[in-house]
Amino acid sequence: SQLAEENPWALSVHEGESVTVNCSYKTSITALQWYRQKSGEGPAQLILIRSNEREKRNGRLRATLDTSSQSSSLSITATRCEDTAVYFCASSSSFSKLVFGQGTSLSVVP
Amino acid sequence: ETAVFQTPNYHVTQVGNEVSFNCKQTLGHDTMYWYKQDSKKLLKIMFSYNNKQLIVNETVPRRFSPQSSDKAHLNLRIKSVEPEDSAVYLCASSSRDPHNYAEQFFGPGTRLTVL
Repeated sequence: SQLAEENPWALSVHEGESVTVNCSYKTSITALQWYRQKSGEGPAQLILIRSNEREKRNGRLRATLDTSSQSSSLSITATRCEDTAVYFCASSSSFSKLVFGQGTSLSVVP
Repeated sequence: ETAVFQTPNYHVTQVGNEVSFNCKQTLGHDTMYWYKQDSKKLLKIMFSYNNKQLIVNETVPRRFSPQSSDKAHLNLRIKSVEPEDSAVYLCASSSRDPHNYAEQFFGPGTRLTVL
């Protein structure tokens, strides 16, 4: 089974709306990273939130981390069509590989 | 331009053939990776290579082998491809960080189709 998992599997919103993607992980982590992958491209990091942090912001993006429930969320406000992509969470632990979830496919329509 | 570069973009081949994919990074990183991304977008690490030390994911079949000439290049060779090898192969690099805080930078991927 996956050590990191996003939900929902897919969602669609209208431009301008806000959206939240959730992530659950199963191991002790040093950090949780969020990546975005647009069609035809490799993933690109959006936010890294360390295990001693509870919230991190990057422009219209806001990530939260709850180590007690082993969960994280990524919220996007004022969505744009160019936010259409697959969003991954990836868990980091010391001396271990980065583990990606299966991704949430977000579609932002006009 | 500093980035991760992969060639080719696409490759179509037949079962049993050998293929090689190239990856080069100009970011000055000392760790490189190969990932396999299946049709459901699931990303699985295959190899990581740091300072000539290779770490292999034990689930990777032996027909896959990474090849590195220096820390900026990490190629992937597949001997005798099989239909289940059809996927997108993504190369990535990062600086070395034992706590895994380091961001991984990905190339655009090579899409392999095995007929």
